[in-house]
Amino acid sequence: DAGVIQSPRHEVTEMGQEVTLRCKPISGHNSLFWYRQTMMRGLELLIYFNNNVPIDDSGMPEDRFSAKMPNASFSTLKIQPSEPRDSAVYFCASSPHRDPISGANVLTFGAGSRLTVL
Amino acid sequence: SQQGEEDPQALSIQEGENATMNCSYKTSINNLQWYRQNSGRGLVHLILIRSNEREKHSGRLRVTLDTSKKSSSLLITASRAADTASYFCATAFTGGGNKLTFGTGTQLKVEL
Repeated sequence: DAGVIQSPRHEVTEMGQEVTLRCKPISGHNSLFWYRQTMMRGLELLIYFNNNVPIDDSGMPEDRFSAKMPNASFSTLKIQPSEPRDSAVYFCASSPHRDPISGANVLTFGAGSRLTVL
Repeated sequence: SQQGEEDPQALSIQEGENATMNCSYKTSINNLQWYRQNSGRGLVHLILIRSNEREKHSGRLRVTLDTSKKSSSLLITASRAADTASYFCATAFTGGGNKLTFGTGTQLKVEL
């Protein structure tokens, strides 16, 4: 298995431009998570999906952010319009069914998309 | 914030020594996990400990959990230069669904 695949790995854009980050989860995993990592705030959960349905988007910072999961093998995170404070590494992670005893989700992360907004 | 806090923020040791990192959290949890992140990479799952477990081992890793103190520790024995990375605890809070909240991380440097 190729793992969780994210693209692009690096993106440099100018303020006001639209940014689309893509993620292909591991086949058979039914939960997908988008995280953002910055030095100041660490790892923040933005949104997660179960079976392609958004469950909790309370971490999405503003209406400029949107995420979709049109099918089990693809998700996008879109920022429109982008701002310099959106500069961060964005991680996608997927997880199989929860551990029936502990309810745990063990996450497999992609390599991340490093976004720089000038 | 429900975010866990790791202590220390940074740790530098010599190869062969043991490294201990601590994690504290604020609310009741179902389980706690530890992840490693090498520079420029995604996080990698290391070990999971359930709320009814007190200690767990995996190779050179030993994790303890004290739910009364809301804290966990990760011990890496006989450290190697390849263990140089950031280590994060992650908690799934009771009633939090699938949400996994990550701590602030400990940067470990193992020197030859």
